[in-house]
Amino acid sequence: SSELTQDPAVSVALGQTVRITCQGDSLGIYYANWYQQKPGQAPVLVIYGKNNRPSGIPDRFSGSRSGNTASLTITGAQAEDEAEYSCNSWDSSGNVVVFGGGTKLTVL
Amino acid sequence: QVQLVESGGGVVQPGRSLRLSCAASGFSFSSYGMHWVRQAPGKGLEWVAVIWDDGSNKYYGDSVKGRFTISRDNSKNTLHLQMNSLRAEDTAVYFCAREDTAVTRGAFDIWGQGTMVTVS
Repeated sequence: SSELTQDPAVSVALGQTVRITCQGDSLGIYYANWYQQKPGQAPVLVIYGKNNRPSGIPDRFSGSRSGNTASLTITGAQAEDEAEYSCNSWDSSGNVVVFGGGTKLTVL
Repeated sequence: QVQLVESGGGVVQPGRSLRLSCAASGFSFSSYGMHWVRQAPGKGLEWVAVIWDDGSNKYYGDSVKGRFTISRDNSKNTLHLQMNSLRAEDTAVYFCAREDTAVTRGAFDIWGQGTMVTVS
């Protein structure tokens, strides 16, 4: 099955903009979905599809795609955004799901 | 409210079996594909298995294929994961998750709180 690659860690100054990326062959077929996970908690879907936010997710979260790379952008990062962010998609076979390794976001 | 509640985790010896359950409530369970996702201590999320809404198709990750079996009982709004021949590397928190294919494939919009499985 294909893989999704994420940078292990990213940092951003409070109030600034940060982009977290996810790269993989399957992203040329399927959109990435993005999850936020805080320690000891279950993941929470923050972006799905082309660029959609579930109810309750702040509009500072947005998603985009260019070729085989998907990006999650947080515009005006807040302290509460410090978390692990993971992407996923179905792989090119359409029979299995793949997750990226996760990106630990630190808000300075 | 819409929720998923896992149960069945615990400590088990290598080579033994364990069955996890996930009780769904607050939504039409039979209308959604359901997944198991696990997370080893300090590691990222790893997809385990999927079962389609009507149970007609099931797919597994390579690391569990042939050892784990996903099933569902739509009459009882319950998802199961039968885990056989357990290994130390199966130690993880196991989450069940709902996939909302009405919006996009792979969007897991509802997650349970997770149940810990320790193989030792």
